[in-house]
Amino acid sequence: KAGVTQTPRYLIKTRGQQVTLSCSPISGHRSVSWYQQTPGQGLQFLFEYFSETQRNKGNFPGRFSGRQFSNSRSEMNVSTLELGDSALYLCASSAQGGRGADTQYFGPGTRLTVL
Amino acid sequence: GNSVTQMEGPVTLSEEAFLTINCTYTATGYPSLFWYVQYPGEGLQLLLKATKADDKGSNKGFEATYRKETTSFHLEKGSVQVSDSAVYFCALTPNQAGTALIFGKGTTLSVSS
Repeated sequence: KAGVTQTPRYLIKTRGQQVTLSCSPISGHRSVSWYQQTPGQGLQFLFEYFSETQRNKGNFPGRFSGRQFSNSRSEMNVSTLELGDSALYLCASSAQGGRGADTQYFGPGTRLTVL
Repeated sequence: GNSVTQMEGPVTLSEEAFLTINCTYTATGYPSLFWYVQYPGEGLQLLLKATKADDKGSNKGFEATYRKETTSFHLEKGSVQVSDSAVYFCALTPNQAGTALIFGKGTTLSVSS
């Protein structure tokens, strides 16, 4: 079974632009979560989607948004990019997104650099 | 609130040495606990997990026991290899709908031959 895939792997943008990142979960998985990884803040939860609905959201500004499609693929969008948005963005999928014990499987990440 | 604290790194060991990486947590209820590993340039891989008190997770020679009385989930391995060099993250999910992982800051392990 193919793992979680993320595209693109690397992105360079300038301040003020917007960006869209894509994630394809493991086949059959219905829950997709997004995380931001930076050297200073570590790994932080952005949001989770399950059956096309945002079920959980972390403490990030409204510039960060996402969506999930009927085939469970997910996209996240960051508008009006800031230098501090430079990070590794990780997507994870799980089968049911149940009561915490469900294992999340991570993709390789998208490295976003904002200049 | 929920949080995870793990020992600061880096941890530098010689091959075949014993490894312990400490992890403690704060959570309401009964969270599930995880150890993830990140190799250079890669995403996170699940190493092991435990979902209730006194459970022991194990994988690839690594072990961790869910200790509710001490709110700990320390990672151990009896004999490390150079290939174990990576960043290790302790994490929890609260026992509620949704799977938001709360991570510790990560501990870098460097093993030399």
